[in-house]
Amino acid sequence: DAGVIQSPRHEVTEMGQEVTLRCKPISGHNSLFWYRQTMMRGLELLIYFNNNVPIDDSGMPEDRFSAKMPNASFSTLKIQPSEPRDSAVYFCASIQGSSTGELFFGEGSRLTVL
Amino acid sequence: QQQVKQSPQSLIVQKGGISIINCAYENTAFDYFPWYQQFPGKGPALLIAIRPDVSEKKEGRFTISFNKSAKQFSLHIMDSQPGDSATYFCAASMGGRRALTFGSGTRLQVQP
Repeated sequence: DAGVIQSPRHEVTEMGQEVTLRCKPISGHNSLFWYRQTMMRGLELLIYFNNNVPIDDSGMPEDRFSAKMPNASFSTLKIQPSEPRDSAVYFCASIQGSSTGELFFGEGSRLTVL
Repeated sequence: QQQVKQSPQSLIVQKGGISIINCAYENTAFDYFPWYQQFPGKGPALLIAIRPDVSEKKEGRFTISFNKSAKQFSLHIMDSQPGDSATYFCAASMGGRRALTFGSGTRLQVQP
């Protein structure tokens, strides 16, 4: 399997611009997670989906952030408008089944907002 | 209630030595405790995991020790190697909520 695929790997944008990060989970995995990693706050859960339905979005920082999962093989995380404090590495992860177990992470999207 | 506290923040160990990283949790509903390893530029990857019905789990040079009464668990890396140099995260999750709550991470450097 190709693993969790994220794009873009690197994004540099200016404050106020819209940013869209993309994720393709591992085929057959029914839950998908978006995490954000910064030096100050470590790995934070932003939102997770189960069977394409958002289950918990309490980690989404504010209304500027939105996430969608239109089908089992694709998810997006959008920031509009972006701010310098959004600079971070954003990870997507997926898991199979209904119980706790191994989360498979993508290689991340490094976002820099100038 | 969701917090997982990890220490130390950084660790330097000589090749062949033992690396020990500790974590403590508050929520007694947690029932799955994995450790993830992350290399620069990569996503975290599962290293080893334990459930609270056992006190220890060993896989090769990596061992998790789990103390349910103290709500603590630790990772021991025996015969540490330079290739083990990475950031290690403890984590926890519970029941039907499979989202992991991560510790703050420990940057391990194994010197040759």
